[in-house]
Amino acid sequence: YVLTQPPSVSVAPGQTAKITCGGNNIGGKSVQWYQQKPGQAPVLVVYDDSDRPSGIPERLSGSNSGNTATLTISRVEAGDEADYHCLVWDNHSVIFGGGTKLTVL
Amino acid sequence: QVHLVESGGGVVQPGRSLRLSCAASGFTSSSYGIHWVRQAPGKGLEWVAVIWYDGNYKNYADSVQGRFTISRDNSENTLYLQMNSLGAEDTAVYYCARDRGYCSGGRCFSHGLDLWGPGTMVAVSS
Repeated sequence: YVLTQPPSVSVAPGQTAKITCGGNNIGGKSVQWYQQKPGQAPVLVVYDDSDRPSGIPERLSGSNSGNTATLTISRVEAGDEADYHCLVWDNHSVIFGGGTKLTVL
Repeated sequence: QVHLVESGGGVVQPGRSLRLSCAASGFTSSSYGIHWVRQAPGKGLEWVAVIWYDGNYKNYADSVQGRFTISRDNSENTLYLQMNSLGAEDTAVYYCARDRGYCSGGRCFSHGLDLWGPGTMVAVSS
């Protein structure tokens, strides 16, 4: 099973960023999203398609339907600049997307 | 405070072995699934292996199947990754991570890796 993410997304501060994760019928699977800043371990920001762990701001939200899952970051801030990775659990294995670098202009 | 801390990384020659450790504190690691995930320099995340609960459920990525072994010592609250026949492609930062998920009816389900260690670097080089 393959997950496809765009290598990079750029957005101006205050705007909305959408990071996609494509996979065959990914809408039938549960998607997780991770934020990773340089030199740091990843942090879970969305699980079960659209739930947020405590401490993750509401500006980050997830959706999943058809062949595309999307992480939406509203009112983007400089501190959102990071790599974002999607993950699905498939057949007792973890599948990661290739990661997307979000640049805040 | 809950923590995971990896150790055991270093420089190793091709074909040799290395054992990584992942020490858990502040929680009972045997109540969770624990994954090993690696990241080659400048690359994305790659899942390596998972072990659930008392170790009855384990699984591996195809790239390490037969070379790596995941295990746990519940009395020490510590997880291990034994890595044999190492090659240059295994060079990476290795993270251990806790899974919020569960197992039922012989199947396991991930609900998010909510706690990660800082990682330990493994470099395979002659």
